[in-house]
Amino acid sequence: AQSVTQPDIHITVSEGASLELRCNYSYGATPYLFWYVQSPGQGLQLLLKYFSGDTLVQGIKGFEAEFKRSQSSFNLRKPSVHWSDAAEYFCAVGPYGGATNKLIFGTGTLLAVQP
Amino acid sequence: DTEVTQTPKHLVMGMTNKKSLKCEQHMGHRAMYWYKQKAKKPPELMFVYSYEKLSINESVPSRFSPECPNSSLLNLHLHALQPEDSALYLCASSRTTGSGSYGYTFGSGTRLTVV
Repeated sequence: AQSVTQPDIHITVSEGASLELRCNYSYGATPYLFWYVQSPGQGLQLLLKYFSGDTLVQGIKGFEAEFKRSQSSFNLRKPSVHWSDAAEYFCAVGPYGGATNKLIFGTGTLLAVQP
Repeated sequence: DTEVTQTPKHLVMGMTNKKSLKCEQHMGHRAMYWYKQKAKKPPELMFVYSYEKLSINESVPSRFSPECPNSSLLNLHLHALQPEDSALYLCASSRTTGSGSYGYTFGSGTRLTVV
């Protein structure tokens, strides 16, 4: 069965520092992979997605993620974090096609940004 | 219009009340979803509608009743809820259910409190 693991429940970084949020997936075929961000009490906003092609994906707000099939990983990175990046980040995997298509979320990583 | 609009944003209801949550999108998406999210947890899928027909019900209690009157609207009717049903209810849409490559667009949610 497909699953998504985000090993880090909570991460604190200093403003201006680099960031990497980890995501590992388990899926039998080529997955569609997503990163979403959620500010407190808000809905989820899509940061970026991967489904084929270049394994380094650029997203909004200066984020990028790299798909590594050999490691079953899709880690999210940002070279310089801003205070407004403090939020919950969810990695998700979506199987391809069919009526049973579901988006499966990881448990999330809460990012705190220190001044 | 690239948004999913949910109303109301906040709702407090008693255990004997009947209320409805509304979700609307005008992106031409033909798949719509209801998710439930408890605090500090990832969203959990409740229902999937594809071309206005219910395609997935994740064993949700009958006190939650979804309705899709047309391709742009999705309602969630609530009746005789329990306090443990208090959560953030998120609506999402995608081009079709086979839209792993496109991802979902989420609304900002309805914060429901059952008293």
